[in-house]
Amino acid sequence: KQEVTQIPAALSVPEGENLVLNCSFTDSAIYNLQWFRQDPGKGLTSLLLIQSSQREQTSGRLNASLDKSSGRSTLYIAASQPGDSATYLCAVDGGNYQLIWGAGTKLIIKP
Amino acid sequence: DGGITQSPKYLFRKEGQNVTLSCEQNLNHDAMYWYRQDPGQGLRLIYYSQIVNDFQKGDIAEGYSVSREKKESFPLTVTSAQKNPTAFYLCASSQQGADTGELFFGEGSRLTVL
Repeated sequence: KQEVTQIPAALSVPEGENLVLNCSFTDSAIYNLQWFRQDPGKGLTSLLLIQSSQREQTSGRLNASLDKSSGRSTLYIAASQPGDSATYLCAVDGGNYQLIWGAGTKLIIKP
Repeated sequence: DGGITQSPKYLFRKEGQNVTLSCEQNLNHDAMYWYRQDPGQGLRLIYYSQIVNDFQKGDIAEGYSVSREKKESFPLTVTSAQKNPTAFYLCASSQQGADTGELFFGEGSRLTVL
């Protein structure tokens, strides 16, 4: 059974730092992995989707990598800003429309 | 603008009452989903629908019901049989394909049972 883990559960860093969020999964048989952002009391916004055949995806200051063999994905945020403060969730698509979700990392960027 | 609209944003219910959460999308997506979010946990799938007039149970379907009479609409009913219904409910959609594809979410509905 696929399990998705995000560590740490919370992270606080000063503005301007580069940072890495982690997502690990137990079963490498996946179609894709997605990263989302969620602001308090709001819905989720898709950030990046990495297909199983891809190694990374980039959007602006965000870069997501995927290593299926080790069961890991990282979300790299460059030059962090206070507006980046949110909860970041990853989800693994193993097929049959069943995404398996991590519990998220709550990120706080201190001005 | 294209997107997903959930209503109401906040809902209070007395024990024993059924409530229906609305989800409407104008993205022309085939697939729609309902998730439940509880503090400190990952999202859990309640129901999903790949096509009109068809839907499947997710991991936690007990105490919930759905319908998919129109492509753009996927309402969720929380019945009195749901033991712990207080939660944040999220509706999502995606373009059907070999995999789930990119998910688009509504703003959520927070249900509180008094």
